[in-house]
Amino acid sequence: EAQVTQNPRYLITVTGKKLTVTCSQNMNHEYMSWYRQDPGLGLRQIYYSMNVEVTDKGDVPEGYKVSRKEKRNFPLILESPSPNQTSLYFCASSRLQGAFDEQYFGPGTRLTVT
Amino acid sequence: AQSVAQPEDQVNVAEGNPLTVKCTYSVSGNPYLFWYVQYPNRGLQFLLKYITGDNLVKGSYGFEAEFNKSQTSFHLKKPSALVSDSALYFCAVRGSNDYKLSFGAGTTVTVRA
Repeated sequence: EAQVTQNPRYLITVTGKKLTVTCSQNMNHEYMSWYRQDPGLGLRQIYYSMNVEVTDKGDVPEGYKVSRKEKRNFPLILESPSPNQTSLYFCASSRLQGAFDEQYFGPGTRLTVT
Repeated sequence: AQSVAQPEDQVNVAEGNPLTVKCTYSVSGNPYLFWYVQYPNRGLQFLLKYITGDNLVKGSYGFEAEFNKSQTSFHLKKPSALVSDSALYFCAVRGSNDYKLSFGAGTTVTVRA
């Protein structure tokens, strides 16, 4: 089954404790992306990647890091989480054709930073 | 900078009535436009996209959207709404010269029986 998986689905942590949210896709997609969803703000793109070792900032990259060492994986790293990073996070992937293909979204990770 | 505006936080319609969810955008270059739907406690699902060609785009579940370049709009429509269409709808845009994707704040659609 074609899918994007995220782990963990729920995470409660404390300020300053480094964490990683994993994202994996089994569709051989070139493009992967991380978003955060906050009430009234919709989805905001954090980082995206067009292929292995190619990443770029989205609209809200501050406080986050990413890496793309393998095509299927795109982990999101919070080196020193703060309460304003409490949010619902989605990973997504798509093919990167001449135009742009629709994205497949993971189930989401609800992060709470206290 | 590119941006998307969804001017209505909520849209309420009766089942069987037409449904319209509004979206306007701002982007450099030619726009690539998308609509996604999010059901409660779920991830987003793709509905339809406009890349080029016919201004009227048909998508999943009977939805369609009309691209209007002069008004920079991409409104989502369904001729006859169902209770099961109740969800959160997002419009998104990407410029032809960029791979960054921008979403609107979302519109909650409630279809009453």
